[in-house]
Amino acid sequence: RKEVEQDPGPFNVPEGATVAFNCTYSNSASQSFFWYRQDCRKEPKLLMSVYSSGNEDGRFTAQLNRASQYISLLIRDSKLSDSATYLCVVNENSGNTPLVFGKGTRLSVIA
Amino acid sequence: NAGVTQTPKFQVLKTGQSMTLQCAQDMNHEYMSWYRQDPGMGLRLIHYSVGAGITDQGEVPNGYNVSRSTTEDFPLRLLSAAPSQTSVYFCASSPRTALGYTFGSGTRLTVV
Repeated sequence: RKEVEQDPGPFNVPEGATVAFNCTYSNSASQSFFWYRQDCRKEPKLLMSVYSSGNEDGRFTAQLNRASQYISLLIRDSKLSDSATYLCVVNENSGNTPLVFGKGTRLSVIA
Repeated sequence: NAGVTQTPKFQVLKTGQSMTLQCAQDMNHEYMSWYRQDPGMGLRLIHYSVGAGITDQGEVPNGYNVSRSTTEDFPLRLLSAAPSQTSVYFCASSPRTALGYTFGSGTRLTVV
């Protein structure tokens, strides 16, 4: 069974800290990768796509390691508003097939 | 654009009742899908569709039916509600799944 694995956490970090999450995927043929953010009792929302060369969006950096089949998300200068569950998501082939979701990593940023 | 619209937002059913959860998108997305989310279980795929007239089962299809008569709408029918179907249901759509999903705001269903 194809899987996406994440540490469920919770990660409890102080404001201003740097925190990193990793995610591993089992299907080596996977094509596209994403990080979604889900706030409590809300729908998941796309945080960022993950590109082979790595990509950055403000305080957020995503990286992909195809050889080891893992994806990472780095959050610098954590804010209280970053508290959420972060979902690792994988598209396993180039066709129009369902995305595979990890169960999420919970982050709490503490004042 | 309204995006992905789910109705109702909340629903309480009695065991054995049937109902339809509505999902509509106005982005002309070919792909649509239904997930349920339970504590500790993550998102589990119920059914999905890659275009009008085409549907397929996901990981947990039992007790649910779908149809896709138009590009815009993808309703989820509960045939005979059971307490095990108490969950939060999310609809998601995409022009192509390689581009990621847009989710609706969810339907919180309680079966008593």
